[in-house]
Amino acid sequence: KAGVTQTPRYLIKTRGQQVTLSCSPISGHRSVSWYQQTPGQGLQFLFEYFSETQRNKGNFPGRFSGRQFSNSRSEMNVSTLELGDSALYLCASSLRAGASNEQFFGPGTRLTVL
Amino acid sequence: AQRVTQPEKLLSVFKGAPVELKCNYSYSGSPELFWYVQYSRQRLQLLLRHISRESIKGFTADLNKGETSFHLKKPFAQEEDSAMYYCALKGNTPLVFGKGTRLSVIA
Repeated sequence: KAGVTQTPRYLIKTRGQQVTLSCSPISGHRSVSWYQQTPGQGLQFLFEYFSETQRNKGNFPGRFSGRQFSNSRSEMNVSTLELGDSALYLCASSLRAGASNEQFFGPGTRLTVL
Repeated sequence: AQRVTQPEKLLSVFKGAPVELKCNYSYSGSPELFWYVQYSRQRLQLLLRHISRESIKGFTADLNKGETSFHLKKPFAQEEDSAMYYCALKGNTPLVFGKGTRLSVIA
């Protein structure tokens, strides 16, 4: 069974631009969660989607948004990029919603904002 | 507020020595606790969860509600245990992760 895939793997943007990251969950998984990982803050929860609905949202500004499609694929968008948005963005999928279910992580997208 | 503290950024032990990775949490309700691991050049993956009460790769972790701790233990460290370990808590919000402890097992 193929694992969680994330595209692109690396991305370089400049301040003020916007970016879209993509995540394809494991086949059959309907829940997708997004995390931001930085050396200073560690892993922080961004959002969780299940059946195209946002179930939970972390403490991030409105510049961070996401969505999930009917095939469970998910995208997250960051608008008006800031230097502090440079991070590894991880996507995780699980069969059902809720962190009690084992989450399978993707390799991440490394975003660098210049 | 939910919080997870892993007091050690780096833990170095010799092969065959016991290992204890510390995790303390802050949550007023009944939490679910997890340990995730990331080996070099691999993805973050679930190691174990407290509700399973199982031993994975020789590791165990017991939830101590009195001390609000969920320390990860292994009696005899192996070189292949070298990795980054994250403790995570699920309370009334999605997963909250600690900042991780890098375990280095020295041959």
